Amino acid sequence: AQSVAQPEDQVNVAEGNPLTVKCTYSVSGNPYLFWYVQYPNRGLQFLLKYITGDNLVKGSYGFEAEFNKSQTSFHLKKPSALVSDSALYFCAVRAPRSYNTDKLIFGTGTRLQVFP
Amino acid sequence: DSGVTQTPKHLITATGQRVTLRCSPRSGDLSVYWYQQSLDQGLQFLIQYYNGEERAKGNILERFSAQQFPDLHSELNLSSLELGDSALYFCASTPRLDGEQYFGPGTRLTVT
Repeated sequence: AQSVAQPEDQVNVAEGNPLTVKCTYSVSGNPYLFWYVQYPNRGLQFLLKYITGDNLVKGSYGFEAEFNKSQTSFHLKKPSALVSDSALYFCAVRAPRSYNTDKLIFGTGTRLQVFP
Repeated sequence: DSGVTQTPKHLITATGQRVTLRCSPRSGDLSVYWYQQSLDQGLQFLIQYYNGEERAKGNILERFSAQQFPDLHSELNLSSLELGDSALYFCASTPRLDGEQYFGPGTRLTVT
């Protein structure tokens, strides 16, 4: 069965410092991996995805994520955090095309708090 | 703005009632997904339609049903509502089946 784990409920970081939001996955075959961000009272916004290719994926708002197959991880990173990055971040996995569904399985979310 | 629209934004209703949530996907997107976000269950996939046909089903209760119309908009029908159905309901669409999903702003349902 596919699953995603976000081990940290909350991550606190000072503005200007690098940030990492962790995600590990479990899926048979090659995964499709996604990061989404949710601001208060808003829907989910797509940040980036990994399907295949380079392990370092660049996305919106200066975010990037590193796919590590041996560690089954897909951590979200940003070199310099902004207060406006404070939000709820979700990692998601989708089964490979060979499966009969393309639903997203979401992690429990990590609240990122960036302090001035 | 993702291009996915959902109405209504908020809905307050009583237990036992029935409601309909509406979603319009991004122009040209054939696939529509429904998700439920609640405090205890997190984000859960409910159901997916592709070009009018049901494609995948998730943790959707028998009291819930959905459909996608020829103009590709979708409706999620929730009946015999219970307090535990209070949640945010999101619709998403995608231009291709292996691509990212674009989410609407959601409908917040409160069952009293």
